[in-house]
Amino acid sequence: AAGVIQSPRHLIKEKRETATLKCYPIPRHDTVYWYQQGPGQDPQFLISFYEKMQSDKGSIPDRFSAQQFSDYHSELNMSSLELGDSALYFCASSYNRQLVYGYTFGSGTRLTVV
Amino acid sequence: GQQLNQSPQSMFIQEGEDVSMNCTSSSIFNTWLWYKQDPGEGPVLLIALYKAGELTSNGRLTAQFGITRKDSFLNISASIPSDVGIYFCAGQGDSGYSTLTFGKGTMLLVSP
Repeated sequence: AAGVIQSPRHLIKEKRETATLKCYPIPRHDTVYWYQQGPGQDPQFLISFYEKMQSDKGSIPDRFSAQQFSDYHSELNMSSLELGDSALYFCASSYNRQLVYGYTFGSGTRLTVV
Repeated sequence: GQQLNQSPQSMFIQEGEDVSMNCTSSSIFNTWLWYKQDPGEGPVLLIALYKAGELTSNGRLTAQFGITRKDSFLNISASIPSDVGIYFCAGQGDSGYSTLTFGKGTMLLVSP
């Protein structure tokens, strides 16, 4: 079965640079969630989108922005990168914002800021 | 915000032993999920619980949604080396549509 696809898998950026992470949800899933997981930490919710509109907002820094496109894929844009932004970034998708239809995570993007 | 207390933080057991871990919260959750995460990979869903009191099994895994809706446990029976990983509980409460709050994780090590 198709899963959530994230790209790139690994990304190395310098401080103050920008980065764009992409997420392609499971086919027919219309809801996308972004999570950040620091080293040895649990995933923290950043932001979610449903039907191309922002649904919920968590601990996303103002330097970050995200959007969901007409094909339901989502992009997380990160500017003025800081060393502390180094983390695994996961995307998850579901249908109609409902957990009961499945809530699947991608394999993540490992961002390293140097 | 809502928080989940997951315990134990880590476990080191012998192959064949049973394992139990749990999560508690001071607030109510509507759904409990248990995930396993391997290093550098995304969390993989093991069991989902949608109703208070629900007891669900998935092979050697059994999980329950506490009757108070403030806790959940996961049991693994007859552990095998491939059970090694970090297990997270996650709850969906009042923090928003389907956004999850995660526990801090339980690292499981299994000795052959």
